[in-house]
Amino acid sequence: QKEVEQDPGPLSVPEGAIVSLNCTYSNSAFQYFMWYRQYSRKGPELLMYTYSSGNKEDGRFTAQVDKSSKYISLFIRDSQPSDSATYLCAMGYNQGGKLIFGQGTELSVKP
Amino acid sequence: GAVVSQHPSRVICKSGTSVKIECRSLDFQATTMFWYRQFPKQSLMLMATSNEGSKATYEQGVEKDKFLINHASLTLSTLTVTSAHPEDSSFYICSARGRQFNQPQHFGDGTRLSIL
Repeated sequence: QKEVEQDPGPLSVPEGAIVSLNCTYSNSAFQYFMWYRQYSRKGPELLMYTYSSGNKEDGRFTAQVDKSSKYISLFIRDSQPSDSATYLCAMGYNQGGKLIFGQGTELSVKP
Repeated sequence: GAVVSQHPSRVICKSGTSVKIECRSLDFQATTMFWYRQFPKQSLMLMATSNEGSKATYEQGVEKDKFLINHASLTLSTLTVTSAHPEDSSFYICSARGRQFNQPQHFGDGTRLSIL
């Protein structure tokens, strides 16, 4: 079993839809949770960064962490074609240590 | 803020060549830098972690003599792929984090390496 599981998709939605992206994990020691967006042939760009459980909102993006269920989510409201990319969840044990990445979900937002 | 620059973005070279990739943090001091490898439609696989002024820590299965990492300053780390072969062709990405508490990793735009 992988430490972090993420559905690779692809996920296709119409413009304006609400997108829900999820990851599950097996190691309860994870404390830091991140979502990165990666466009083709580019490096990952940090979208959201959360410590421990709870919600965090930034514009059209909302990240949720449920440590009791070992489940994290990223919601994108009013999705735009420019949101089309691969979304990677990542988790860490401590603030300085290495990250464990999910496989990434490929999202396509159709105009 | 938190800009990481990686150079070159694309390299094509002959088998047996050694290739150096640079990773720079432009607007912060990076106490730790990470090097990843990514295959098409797959996630990032950590190769090694480097802390400024000390030897890199390699992940299991990564040949340290093949992938030489130097982190000589707080803004620069280099990865040298020595005697590269076609199987080393991949997308290599670096990331950097600052010294302050709870700093996340910020990534460069990657280097696409093709060995003929």
